[in-house]
Amino acid sequence: DVKVTQSSRYLVKRTGEKVFLECVQDMDHENMFWYRQDPGLGLRLIYFSYDVKMKEKGDIPEGYSVSREKKERFSLILESASTNQTSMYLCASSSRYGYTFGSGTRLTVV
Amino acid sequence: GDSVTQMEGPVTLSEEAFLTINCTYTATGYPSLFWYVQYPGEGLQLLLKATKADDKGSNKGFEATYRKETTSFHLEKGSVQVSDSAVYFCALSDRSNDYKLSFGAGTTVTVRA
Repeated sequence: DVKVTQSSRYLVKRTGEKVFLECVQDMDHENMFWYRQDPGLGLRLIYFSYDVKMKEKGDIPEGYSVSREKKERFSLILESASTNQTSMYLCASSSRYGYTFGSGTRLTVV
Repeated sequence: GDSVTQMEGPVTLSEEAFLTINCTYTATGYPSLFWYVQYPGEGLQLLLKATKADDKGSNKGFEATYRKETTSFHLEKGSVQVSDSAVYFCALSDRSNDYKLSFGAGTTVTVRA
C-alpha cells in the first residue's frame, strides 16, 4: 500500500522554537507539497518541490522554509514558531496519476 | 488566478437524506476538477474526479458532473449514511498553474442516525 508518512501526529511547541515537520513517501514521486489546513480557509499551499534540492514558494511561504535532500523526504521548517502557525499541516506527493496525502500533523504553538 | 468556491457548512443531515454540496470555480485554462474527502483524524482521499466538460465522476454513491457552461462541479449523493460524515473539499488543477491543486474552503457534513 503506497504511503505518505508524516512523522508526528500531534506536536506542541513553544513560541520561538525551531520546528521540523518531516514527510516521507514511498512511491518514488518527484513532486511533493506542504499545505496547511485551517477551518474556513481550506488547504493553502506553503511550499512545493518538483525534484531533489529544488523548492518553490506556494501561496503562503512566509515564516516557513523547506528542505529536500532526498527524493523521498520533504521537510517543512518553522525557523521561529509563532502562535499564528498553529494549524494542521498536510504533506502530499504526486505523479501524473494523482495526489496522495499524509494523515497530517496538528501543530500547536504556545 | 485559479480559485474554488464551495458551499459553506456545516451541513447536518439525517440518514438517507439527499446531499448536495455546491462548487464553482474560476480558472484561466481548462482545469481538471476533483472532490476530496477527509474523514475524522485522517488525511485527504480522492473521492472522484472529472477531466473534461460533461464528464461525470462517481464513487461510493457520490456523483459530480463537470459543467463548463456554469463553471460548476456540484457533489451529490442520493442517500447518505452516518459513515459519510466528513469534510469535503472541491479542488482543481490546471496546466497554467503547473497542475498544482487549488482547494475550496471545505464543507463539514454530519449525518445523524
